[in-house]
Amino acid sequence: EAGVTQFPSHSVIEKGQTVTLRCDPISGHDNLYWYRRVMGKEIKFLLHFVKESKQDESGMPNNRFLAERTGGTYSTLKVQPAELEDSGVYFCASSQDRGRVQETQYFGPGTRLLVL
Amino acid sequence: GDSVTQMEGPVTLSEEAFLTINCTYTATGYPSLFWYVQYPGEGLQLLLKATKADDKGSNKGFEATYRKETTSFHLEKGSVQVSDSAVYFCALSVSFGNEKLTFGTGTRLTIIP
Repeated sequence: EAGVTQFPSHSVIEKGQTVTLRCDPISGHDNLYWYRRVMGKEIKFLLHFVKESKQDESGMPNNRFLAERTGGTYSTLKVQPAELEDSGVYFCASSQDRGRVQETQYFGPGTRLLVL
Repeated sequence: GDSVTQMEGPVTLSEEAFLTINCTYTATGYPSLFWYVQYPGEGLQLLLKATKADDKGSNKGFEATYRKETTSFHLEKGSVQVSDSAVYFCALSVSFGNEKLTFGTGTRLTIIP
């Protein structure tokens, strides 16, 4: 069974440009999460999809970030326009949905974003 | 709000040494606690977890006990190996279902032969 995959693995862009990150969750996982780790600090939650719906987007830093999950499969996270402070590693995770049971979140390898 | 505090690294140990990585938490509800590990070039992997007080999670020789009275979930291993070199993250989740994880800053562990 394939794990969570993320593309690209690395991205270097200039301030003001646009970048789109993609996450493919494990097949059959309804829950999809985005997290970010900035400059060796803690990993911070960005948002949570259940299928194609945004369940919790309380961690999105500002309106320059737009996440979508059309059809409830893969997800994209677009940063437009990118700023220097957006540099970091963006992780995606997915889990099954079994109601009140705390299911394990499986993480992808991350996308390392550098904004110059 | 919820938060996790773990000991700052980096930590460097010799092979076969005893390992402790401290983790304490603050939570508004009754959390589940986790240790995740990130090996070089890979994504985060769940190492172990505990869902209620006094539970002990264990995996690959690592252990951590959920201590509600001290709000702690320290990671221990009796004899580390070079292959244990990685970044270790303590995390919590306060929910009845599939909710977000709150992480600590991570501790980089290097084991030297």
